[in-house]
Amino acid sequence: DIQMTQSPSSLSASVGDRVTITCRASRDNIKYLNWYQQKPGKAPKLLIYDAFNLETGVPSRFSGSASGTDFTFTISSLQPEDIATYYCQQYDTLPVFTFGQGTKLEIK
Amino acid sequence: QVQLQESGPGLVKPSGTLSLTCAVSGGSISSNYWWSWVRQPPGKGLEWIGEIYHSANTNYNPSLKSRVTISVDKSRNHFSLTLTSVTAADTAVYYCARARYRRTWSLDYWGQGTLVAVSS
Repeated sequence: DIQMTQSPSSLSASVGDRVTITCRASRDNIKYLNWYQQKPGKAPKLLIYDAFNLETGVPSRFSGSASGTDFTFTISSLQPEDIATYYCQQYDTLPVFTFGQGTKLEIK
Repeated sequence: QVQLQESGPGLVKPSGTLSLTCAVSGGSISSNYWWSWVRQPPGKGLEWIGEIYHSANTNYNPSLKSRVTISVDKSRNHFSLTLTSVTAADTAVYYCARARYRRTWSLDYWGQGTLVAVSS
């Protein structure tokens, strides 16, 4: 099974800061993954698909990139409404969908 | 705009069967998407349960496969989840979601989720 190692598990930053979250795949055949935002009491929301594509309607301060087995999610300038937990997700052989452990983002 | 809505009992007894339905509106369940169930225990992360295509082809998480059945009712535009022999560990918010393929599969539309507690 593919394992996704997401870090950090929690993060505290100030409004306007650049924030980076990383997911690392345990195998190098993972070429793409997705990023979700989940606010308390709400369903996850797809933000980035196929590693770097912005879902329709998502602000451009969110972005994704990939290098080998490392995938990075970035918020270029943190806004108060970005407080949430963020998950990476990959699709591979069974189990078909695997999520990272999540990164809880808080305002400092 | 596609919308998904979960429904079902919020309380199930231990060793009983959990049954949920996801109603799809704003689009046909017979379109070229797969339809998934995902759950989230209180305060924990996301766990994918399984998925179904309108042809009734299914894929399940191996960790739950022996207890899970996902079915589809095209006439009612909904799909359902059955989880047998439940324990307290199955207490979670259960979400239904649509799976879309571009270069990989993602879950682009989600229901609001429904909390199911397993308790006597």
